[in-house]
Amino acid sequence: NAGVTQTPKFQVLKTGQSMTLQCAQDMNHEYMSWYRQDPGMGLRLIHYSVGAGITDQGEVPNGYNVSRSTTEDFPLRLLSAAPSQTSVYFCASSYLDRGLQETQYFGPGTRLLVL
Amino acid sequence: AQKVTQAQTEISVVEKEDVTLDCVYETRDTTYYLFWYKQPPSGELVFLIRRNSFDEQNEISGRYSWNFQKSTSSFNFTITASQVVDSAVYFCALEVDGADGLTFGKGTHLIIQP
Repeated sequence: NAGVTQTPKFQVLKTGQSMTLQCAQDMNHEYMSWYRQDPGMGLRLIHYSVGAGITDQGEVPNGYNVSRSTTEDFPLRLLSAAPSQTSVYFCASSYLDRGLQETQYFGPGTRLLVL
Repeated sequence: AQKVTQAQTEISVVEKEDVTLDCVYETRDTTYYLFWYKQPPSGELVFLIRRNSFDEQNEISGRYSWNFQKSTSSFNFTITASQVVDSAVYFCALEVDGADGLTFGKGTHLIIQP
């Protein structure tokens, strides 16, 4: 198993550009999520999905879109990048056991710099 | 709303010392899970432990141990005989509803000096 994979590992964008951060998992996990990590802030939930076709907002969803057309993939889209979106982005997946997550598996992260 | 507080921003100890990382959480839910993750300088997040709210037994895994006390809403993490490889940022996290993801503390940067 490859676990949770993320691409790219590093990206530089100019303000206003759009891009998609890719996330894939091969563990057949129902639950997938995106977090951003900023210095001194810990990780904050952006969007999540409890299954294909189902997505919802987390704590900091503004400026980001997601979709979940398959169980394996959960891309995160930045529609118009802003410097405030400079961050490290982590994708995670897990099984749901009676509504609660089993161990979350995190991807290696994508480091995004918006100029 | 949930909250996780890691009051220690940074801890520096000399190798072989014992060190305890504090975690205090807030939730009104009676069913929840607590987690600890390690983030080494390479940046990945490494799962360490998951503990549910109904299991207050302390856990030991090698040099690592965890003390869960519901009475004080704390889930502290102790490293015994610390090693340089333990240097990392450690995050405590809380889950009360799977769909809402994990609420993370801001992390404790642990520096183990040789």
